[in-house]
Amino acid sequence: QLQLQESGPGLVKPSETLSLTCSVSGASISHTTDYWGWLRHLPGKGLQWIGSIYYTGATYYNPSLKSPVTIYIDTSKNQFSLRLSSVTAADTAVYYCAKLHKIGGFDFWGQGTLVTVSS
Amino acid sequence: EIVLTQSPGTLSLSAGERATLSCRASQTVSGSFLAWYQQKPGQAPRLLIYGASNRATGISDRFSGSGSGTDFTLTISRLEPEDFAVYYCQQYGGSPSTFGPGTKVDIK
Repeated sequence: QLQLQESGPGLVKPSETLSLTCSVSGASISHTTDYWGWLRHLPGKGLQWIGSIYYTGATYYNPSLKSPVTIYIDTSKNQFSLRLSSVTAADTAVYYCAKLHKIGGFDFWGQGTLVTVSS
Repeated sequence: EIVLTQSPGTLSLSAGERATLSCRASQTVSGSFLAWYQQKPGQAPRLLIYGASNRATGISDRFSGSGSGTDFTLTISRLEPEDFAVYYCQQYGGSPSTFGPGTKVDIK
């Protein structure tokens, strides 16, 4: 059974970089033709797609995000990661990693991790 | 970007009743690329429906999706106690993919 698990700091200072990693078990990222993604649940504002990455490393980002985003994949560790630069309090959210179903929608999710941006 | 509006904001029903949730898009969702999710407190969203009307793996046939263009509906035929949750729609036909604000289905 496919499982995803987010890891990273729960507290980040304003203007610093938020870094999270998603560890995938039950499938090999490099042996599937799946897209993987990062999403977040902003308090009082609902769900937001941050970006997605293909196993080849091709990336797609949400241009609505104010903080610069980078998503990258490490097939040797079966992980993919998120970096959000120059964060502000508005980036405080529960962050999820997820797998994109081949015909759309995210069908496997990590449990989510709360990241608070505060000094 | 495509803005999704969900109605009602809260739906108060009893177990055994039928729930009808609406998701309206600010512009046509190409390919009917619309998904529905269920989320319970402290849990990640769970994919229920993709492609507007296709049930995801393991999802009860009490859940059905319909619609096209700008108007989509999620129907729960007979509410079970475990169905009381928040439901979100998501469009992935336009970039960026966007989510609706959610409909809370609570116990009357």
